[in-house]
Amino acid sequence: DTGVSQNPRHKITKRGQNVTFRCDPISEHNRLYWYRQTLGQGPEFLTYFQNEAQLEKSRLLSDRFSAERPKGSFSTLEIQRTEQGDSAMYLCASSWGQGDSEKLFFGSGTQLSVL
Amino acid sequence: KNEVEQSPQNLTAQEGEFITINCSYSVGISALHWLQQHPGGGIVSLFMLSSGKKKHGRLIATINIQEKHSSLHITASHPRDSAVYICAVYGYGGSQGNLIFGKGTKLSVKP
Repeated sequence: DTGVSQNPRHKITKRGQNVTFRCDPISEHNRLYWYRQTLGQGPEFLTYFQNEAQLEKSRLLSDRFSAERPKGSFSTLEIQRTEQGDSAMYLCASSWGQGDSEKLFFGSGTQLSVL
Repeated sequence: KNEVEQSPQNLTAQEGEFITINCSYSVGISALHWLQQHPGGGIVSLFMLSSGKKKHGRLIATINIQEKHSSLHITASHPRDSAVYICAVYGYGGSQGNLIFGKGTKLSVKP
């Protein structure tokens, strides 16, 4: 499978617990993005990496959220002290190319349910 | 008011019909994506546009920068085209990754 891979597909956790999601982008893609999507809404930007550098974080990303991409390959998104409002689909995407030739590929997402 | 508005929200068509989905945005943009999301979450990028028109198979995307409007057309629609179609824009001053998404148009094509 050469697509963007996300694990786990589903995560159920109790409020207050920490969770970590993993994203494996397409191997030659240097840009990696995290988005969050709730039911009936379009995705919302969380953060963006170019190689290992985290270039932008959304104001949505509170101090309970942290993302890393230590070697410029896979990335992890950790949520500490989860709250019920964190329940959402967390999407990862990777891309290559510039301008009109940019190709953006999404993973299937991790569905988080906080009880 | 959302910065990216799509219409219609839901669309049902008969197989073979010509379909148009519209996207209007209120911010200055550098580029616009049309995305397709199937049940189960998988999102596929269909087009990225900064001007003019692009065609890929039965799909055509157009953008009018002055009018802040883009359309996605599907010719000879087929049940496998059933999905949610999402318009997303890169605003001026926004980062490479800070796409602003519309809420999507849910398309159902009946055989």
